[in-house]
Amino acid sequence: DAGVIQSPRHEVTEMGQEVTLRCKPISGHNSLFWYRQTMMRGLELLIYFNNNVPIDDSGMPEDRFSAKMPNASFSTLKIQPSEPRDSAVYFCATQGYGGGRYDDEQFFGPGTRLTVL
Amino acid sequence: QKEVEQNSGPLSVPEGAIASLNCTYSDRGSQSFFWYRQYSGKSPELIMSIYSNGDKEDGRFTAQLNKASQYVSLLIRDSQPSDSATYLCAVTHRGSQGNLIFGKGTKLSVKP
Repeated sequence: DAGVIQSPRHEVTEMGQEVTLRCKPISGHNSLFWYRQTMMRGLELLIYFNNNVPIDDSGMPEDRFSAKMPNASFSTLKIQPSEPRDSAVYFCATQGYGGGRYDDEQFFGPGTRLTVL
Repeated sequence: QKEVEQNSGPLSVPEGAIASLNCTYSDRGSQSFFWYRQYSGKSPELIMSIYSNGDKEDGRFTAQLNKASQYVSLLIRDSQPSDSATYLCAVTHRGSQGNLIFGKGTKLSVKP
């Protein structure tokens, strides 16, 4: 299995532009998580889906952020409009029974490093 | 506010020594406890999970949990330079399956 796939790996954009981050989960994993990591705040959960349904979006910082999971193979995180304080590494992680040593193990993608100028 | 606290380090140990990493958490309802390792510029990867009080060993790693003291630790025996990374403690609590709350991590440096 290729693991969790994220694109793009790096994104540099200007303030006010729309940014879309993409994630392809590990096949068969039914839970998907979006995280943001910064030096100041560490790794924070933004939103997670179970069976394509958003379960907890309390970590989404503002209405500028939105996430979708139209099917079991694809999820997006969109920021519109982007601001310099959104600069961070955004990770997608997935989880599924039988996928690892532990049933609740989350597998992280390589991340998208976002820079908003 | 549910919090997970870790000493940011850096923690420096010589090769072959035991590295001890500590974590405290604020929510007594926390149910599951995890240690993730993150190399610089890479994504976190799970190395240990623990669910009940006591010790759990996996190779050179031992996780220790004390729910009464709201304390979880990770011991790395025979530390190797390849263990140099940031170690993230994470917890979940009942009713929030999958909602991992991470500490900010402890940076470990193992000197040859």
